[in-house]
Amino acid sequence: GAGVSQTPSNKVTEKGKYVELRCDPISGHTALYWYRQSLGQGPEFLIYFQGTGAADDSGLPNDRFFAVRPEGSVSTLKIQRTERGDSAVYLCASSPSGRRNTQYFGPGTRLTVL
Amino acid sequence: RKEVEQDPGPFNVPEGATVAFNCTYSNSASQSFFWYRQDCRKEPKLLMSVYSSGNEDGRFTAQLNRASQYISLLIRDSKLSDSATYLCVVPNQAGTALIFGKGTTLSVSS
Repeated sequence: GAGVSQTPSNKVTEKGKYVELRCDPISGHTALYWYRQSLGQGPEFLIYFQGTGAADDSGLPNDRFFAVRPEGSVSTLKIQRTERGDSAVYLCASSPSGRRNTQYFGPGTRLTVL
Repeated sequence: RKEVEQDPGPFNVPEGATVAFNCTYSNSASQSFFWYRQDCRKEPKLLMSVYSSGNEDGRFTAQLNRASQYISLLIRDSKLSDSATYLCVVPNQAGTALIFGKGTTLSVSS
């Protein structure tokens, strides 16, 4: 079956612009996660959704970052007033109900802020 | 102490070698542990789960030492295709996210 998909695969933007990154989880997976991976680092947790609600957003670095999942499926990560330090690969993962530790990752969106 | 720490690497080994990676974790209450594999410019993929003292899957063996809060991954008879970054992973205390180490890079050469 289809895995987690993310669009766009690459995004180049200028400092100060607004960007949206999309994640389409595996069909039927209730849990959805966003992570950010900088060069030479492991993925770092940003936010976790259970259904439509953000159950844990403790990893969002500041209020420029926001994520939604209005219908409990597709999620959008929104970054306002982008900064060069936001450049990273943004990974989305999903997991089936009751198996939060079994996370399937999408290919990521590589964000470059010039 | 960082939540998950790994050997810095990189590890450069010939085909057929045995190589071991180490990982320490800070939360003594952790019950489950994972090794993920990440190929260059690709997403992480689950390699092995470690729920008790350890487990084995073909050429790969993962061991857990709870007293020392230490996890290891042993790869026997290394193949060129094993070249990748290996990430040690522990769930956070709330069980809402995975905490990843920085990863250890393995390069297997012929």
